[in-house]
Amino acid sequence: GDSVTQKEGLVTLTEGLPVMLNCTYQTIYSNAFLFWYVHYLNESPRLLLKSSTDNKRTEHQGFHATLHKSSSSFHLQKSSAQLSDSALYYCALGGSNAKLTFGKGTKLSVKS
Amino acid sequence: EAAVTQSPRSKVAVTGGKVTLSCHQTNNHDYMYWYRQDTGHGLRLIHYSYVADSTEKGDIPDGYKASRPSQENFSLILELASLSQTAVYFCASSDWGGAFYEQYFGPGTRLTVL
Repeated sequence: GDSVTQKEGLVTLTEGLPVMLNCTYQTIYSNAFLFWYVHYLNESPRLLLKSSTDNKRTEHQGFHATLHKSSSSFHLQKSSAQLSDSALYYCALGGSNAKLTFGKGTKLSVKS
Repeated sequence: EAAVTQSPRSKVAVTGGKVTLSCHQTNNHDYMYWYRQDTGHGLRLIHYSYVADSTEKGDIPDGYKASRPSQENFSLILELASLSQTAVYFCASSDWGGAFYEQYFGPGTRLTVL
């Protein structure tokens, strides 16, 4: 079945340093959609980015990700972390049915 | 702006008791989902529905039932609550299939089973 791997459970960074959160996936569906959802404390999870196009960079709110089907990866990046980026980040895979498969999430903690 | 509301926002239940979590959406979306969130497990799908009066099992349906009496409302029922069901529960809705379209989440219900 479909699966999503987020290896890092916790990433701690100093403000101003670059962010990279890893996401790899497995699916047999060739037209899969990949998503990044962000969950701030005391808020609802919400969509940050999505893509289904191979090798195309997608950007939103200072974050960007590129879907690489050859390596089954969709890593989330940002050039300079801000304190307000502290949150739980989920990578998710949408395949041939109506369901999303979420990774276990990566907690990003940005310190001054 | 999409709107998904959940009630109650928090609940304490006793082991063996019945718990009903409610979700209401005003997005006119066909698809609705129930997830549970646990540290170290992320968001896991319990049940979902794409039409009123019909529900589908998700990835972890054991111990849970779901009910979709109308397009707007989707309930999650724990007939015999257990300690292991302590978690935060999120409802979500999406237009068409949520595999391709954005899912809009509610604020969550924190359930503690004692």
